[in-house]
Amino acid sequence: EDQVTQSPEALRLQEGESSSLNCSYTVSGLRGLFWYRQDPGKGPEFLFTLYSAGEEKEKERLKATLTKKESFLHITAPKPEDSATYLCAVQATGSGTYKYIFGTGTRLKVLA
Amino acid sequence: DAGVTQSPTHLIKTRGQHVTLRCSPISGHKSVSWYQQVLGQGPQFIFQYYEKEERGRGNFPDRFSARQFPNYSSELNVNALLLGDSALYLCASSLGQGPPETQYFGPGTRLLVL
Repeated sequence: EDQVTQSPEALRLQEGESSSLNCSYTVSGLRGLFWYRQDPGKGPEFLFTLYSAGEEKEKERLKATLTKKESFLHITAPKPEDSATYLCAVQATGSGTYKYIFGTGTRLKVLA
Repeated sequence: DAGVTQSPTHLIKTRGQHVTLRCSPISGHKSVSWYQQVLGQGPQFIFQYYEKEERGRGNFPDRFSARQFPNYSSELNVNALLLGDSALYLCASSLGQGPPETQYFGPGTRLLVL
C-alpha cells in the first residue's frame, strides 16, 4: 500500500537554528513529490515539486531534495514567520489514479 | 490572477442533513480534486474530475458525490451527514495533463456537524 511518513511530528527551533524535515515514501510508480506549507485553518500553499532522485529546488530559506526513498526540506536560518505545518505529498501511478497521498505533516515552531 | 476559490468558508449543519460545497479553479485549469482534512492529519483524497469526467475516487462512502461543470467549477455533495464528517474540505485545481502535476489548493470550507 502506498504510504508517506513525515518526521518529526513537531519541531521547535530558535530563530537562526537550521534544521531538516524528512518525508519518506513507499509507493508504486512515483511521478512526483510535492511540498506544501499550511497555516492554521488555511489551505496548503505550494512550495516545491520534485520529479526524480537527485533533484533539488530552492526558495528563500527553503531547499528541497529528493532520493529514491525520501525527501528532505532543509530550513536555513529560520525566522518566526516560517512557523507552520509542512506537508509532503506524492503522486504515483500504482494506484491507478492521479491522487495525492499526503503525510501527516511536521508542525514547525520558530521562536524569536 | 485569482487563485482557487471555495464557498462557503464556514458551515454548520446537523446530523442527517445534506451539504453542498463549491469550488472555482484557477483560470485555465481543467482538473479539480477534493480532499478532506481532519484536524492534525494530512488531507485525504476524495475525488478528482477532469473535463467533467471522474478521474479518481478515494475510500469514501457513497454519501459523498461530486460533479464538474462546463466552466470547470465543481461541487462536492455530502448526504446524511455524520459527526465524523466535520473537517476542512479542500479543493485543488491543476492543469490536468499529468501525472505528474502540481495541484494548487483553495482556502477550504470548514464544516462542523452537530
